[in-house]
Amino acid sequence: QVQLVESGGGVVHPGGSLRLSCATSGFSFSGYDMQWVRQAPGKGLEWVTHIRYDGSSEDYGDSVRGRFTISRDNSKNTLYLEMNSLRGEDTALYYCVTSRGADYWGQGTLVTVSS
Amino acid sequence: DIQMTQSPSSLSASAGDTVTITCRASQGIRSALGWFQQRPGKAPRRLIHAASSLQNGVPSRFSGSGSGTEFTLTISSLQPEDFATYYCLQYNTFPLTFGGGTKVELK
Repeated sequence: QVQLVESGGGVVHPGGSLRLSCATSGFSFSGYDMQWVRQAPGKGLEWVTHIRYDGSSEDYGDSVRGRFTISRDNSKNTLYLEMNSLRGEDTALYYCVTSRGADYWGQGTLVTVSS
Repeated sequence: DIQMTQSPSSLSASAGDTVTITCRASQGIRSALGWFQQRPGKAPRRLIHAASSLQNGVPSRFSGSGSGTEFTLTISSLQPEDFATYYCLQYNTFPLTFGGGTKVELK
């Protein structure tokens, strides 16, 4: 079955950087668009970024554009999110999600930005 | 950006009731809309895609309808496990946008 396992979350100071990974299995990763969605504590869902199945294009939400970079390694079935210049408002649970229509979700990895 | 206005933000209902949640898009999104359920402490799961197509394994008491700018999720005969928060997502146009959520609580 489809499995998405996020890792790399943790506590980081404002202005710091973090790299999230999402290891996938159970489906043909190289044929699927992927994305990251986040959820701040006690808040709703916020779309973060999307990458095409072949890595040929990416899209970003306004709040992260220029600071976050999505990438993928189809040989390793793994999705990444490089996060720079982190702010307090980036504190959230980050979910790895398959396809543009968001059909499968991982369990999330928590990023806390705090001094 | 397309705004997704979801209503109500919360509702109280009893087991066995039928409830309806609405999402309104600020511009037309054809049928590129999904509905998601999130139970406390759990990841969201998709219930409906393409506005009205039931996800495999989701009970038939969940149904979706609409196209263009107006969409509804109906839950017939609420079960105890249905008390959760529900979100819509438009995936027609980047940036993708979620509705604000509807918390379905036990009356």
